[in-house]
Amino acid sequence: GQSLEQPSEVTAVEGAIVQINCTYQTSGFYGLSWYQQHDGGAPTFLSYNALDGLEETGRFSSFLSRSDSYGYLLLQELQMKDSASYFCAVEAGGFKTIFGAGTRLFVKA
Amino acid sequence: DAGVIQSPRHEVTEMGQEVTLRCKPISGHDYLFWYRQTMMRGLELLIYFNNNVPIDDSGMPEDRFSAKMPNASFSTLKIQPSEPRDSAVYFCASSRGGAGNSPLHFGNGTRLTVT
Repeated sequence: GQSLEQPSEVTAVEGAIVQINCTYQTSGFYGLSWYQQHDGGAPTFLSYNALDGLEETGRFSSFLSRSDSYGYLLLQELQMKDSASYFCAVEAGGFKTIFGAGTRLFVKA
Repeated sequence: DAGVIQSPRHEVTEMGQEVTLRCKPISGHDYLFWYRQTMMRGLELLIYFNNNVPIDDSGMPEDRFSAKMPNASFSTLKIQPSEPRDSAVYFCASSRGGAGNSPLHFGNGTRLTVT
């Protein structure tokens, strides 16, 4: 089977750095993605890691350790507009993409 | 690029009625996914297609649910008969697919309420 675990909720202040962790168990693994979803909106793609290491895209970075079945999303210079839910998602066998339960990020002024 | 288009945006129906949700994927995308999102169960993969062929429907909850993709530009998800527990936001997503970074592009979803 497949399972992904991430914290349900994280709170941080504007300008700070926050890390959202994700651990996964899947039968087959091709890569780990991160998606952002604002209330009432659709999930939108943020980043993808297929190999170990850090990928940086502006204020957002994502890390993967395949040996530890672990990844994280790092958000820097937090802004109020970053308040949203963040989902890790595993690309399993056959391009099947399974999502975690999501982490709700609250950014305070 | 118009993005993934879903219709209707909102659907309110009574228990026992048939519901049909529609999706137009991004042109050139070979993979199409149907997800259901609820507070309790999060984003659940219901079924996905590759080149119009269903690949994995293990997430379809019951025989009341069926999905089709008659051509590369159209897919439907049908619930018959609908039940109150089917109330959720249903998302369609498409992707170019293949190995590597092929992100899912989601439509705006259909919010289904079954009373």
